[in-house]
Amino acid sequence: DAGITQSPRHKVTETGTPVTLRCHQTENHRYMYWYRQDPGHGLRLIHYSYGVKDTDKGEVSDGYSVSRSKTEDFLLTLESATSSQTSVYFCAISEGGAGNNEQFFGPGTRLTVL
Amino acid sequence: SQQGEEDPQALSIQEGENATMNCSYKTSINNLQWYRQNSGRGLVHLILIRSNEREKHSGRLRVTLDTSKKSSSLLITASRAADTASYFCATTGNEKLTFGTGTRLTIIP
Repeated sequence: DAGITQSPRHKVTETGTPVTLRCHQTENHRYMYWYRQDPGHGLRLIHYSYGVKDTDKGEVSDGYSVSRSKTEDFLLTLESATSSQTSVYFCAISEGGAGNNEQFFGPGTRLTVL
Repeated sequence: SQQGEEDPQALSIQEGENATMNCSYKTSINNLQWYRQNSGRGLVHLILIRSNEREKHSGRLRVTLDTSKKSSSLLITASRAADTASYFCATTGNEKLTFGTGTRLTIIP
């Protein structure tokens, strides 16, 4: 998976608890992305980063925050998890902006919010 | 909302046959990309076609792009069991990709 790891790979949590997912890359790529994948919706962009401490919102950012303090790590936080955030979360990286560059995806994190 | 929409949603063919999937989108694009996802795995990039290109090949893959119709097609020739997967088109503005909902391809041995 192109030097991308996600942790944890599986998590079950309860409504109202905070959750942090981690994406780690060894490729030194500038751009990092968080997506969620749900049946019938394909992949939807949550947040992305175009450099250390530079982030922007995606299509479905409500209820999520991100941080990137180092090139290699991009954290996704659910401040207070809800059942609607049950999903599979994918991290992706690219050398440049998506306009001209392919994205490399991590293996995914399956999150269940009870 | 999704930019790309794949058609059909599901496709089953015999091994050795060709598989064609279509993608339609709504607004102007910089380029269009196709990705494959095997069950339980992350997406893998297949091919990128720029808005000024009409056709591109990569091994058994052939992608066409018709910007006047806002559509693209992915052809997989001489299909193999290992091609069983979901296939997604993704359109790009500047820094973000917007994915369609995918075509589920099943190759019957």
